[in-house]
Amino acid sequence: DTGVSQDPRHKITKRGQNVTFRCDPISEHNRLYWYRQTLGQGPEFLTYFQNEAQLEKSRLLSDRFSAERPKGSFSTLEIQRTEQGDSAMYLCASILGTGGNEQFFGPGTRLTVL
Amino acid sequence: AQKITQTQPGMFVQEKEAVTLDCTYDTSDQSYGLFWYKQPSSGEMIFLIYQGSYDEQNATEGRYSLNFQKARKSANLVISASQLGDSAMYFCAMREPVSGSARQLTFGSGTQLTVLP
Repeated sequence: DTGVSQDPRHKITKRGQNVTFRCDPISEHNRLYWYRQTLGQGPEFLTYFQNEAQLEKSRLLSDRFSAERPKGSFSTLEIQRTEQGDSAMYLCASILGTGGNEQFFGPGTRLTVL
Repeated sequence: AQKITQTQPGMFVQEKEAVTLDCTYDTSDQSYGLFWYKQPSSGEMIFLIYQGSYDEQNATEGRYSLNFQKARKSANLVISASQLGDSAMYFCAMREPVSGSARQLTFGSGTQLTVLP
């Protein structure tokens, strides 16, 4: 499968625990995005990487959230001290920066914080 | 203010008929892109169609067409000959040149389409 992959697909955790999600973009795509989607809403932008550089962060990305893309390939999104309000679908998308319009989305990681 | 407005939370259509999903947008930029994505219950966002703000012709992709009315700032999705597999959530999204380099997508709240047999 050469599409965007995300792991895990589902995560249930207790409030206060830390969680980490992984995104593997399409191999030649240098731009990578994280979005959050709550129930009944469209995805909202969280952060963006061009290669290994994190170039933009939304105000939605509180201090408890951190994202990395250490070698410009896969990316991780960590949430520390999870809260019930963090329960959402976390979507990763990638695009080839030099051309094309379509952002290719992964299947998402559904987080439930109890 | 909402940048992308989808006023139809839910829509029903009979199989084999055409359906129009509404989308209006708000931007002061001259250069922008409009997208439609489909999200089945499995959760993955599937790209359907793209319209650039400078494109003079309405975009078409198979059974999907985008009715782009720039002056009215609307970008409605038309699905012809609906199929049962079209039942899903549909999102309109916009990409603007913003001050940063991200050019991320801004999504509407979606329309849940149900195709009836």
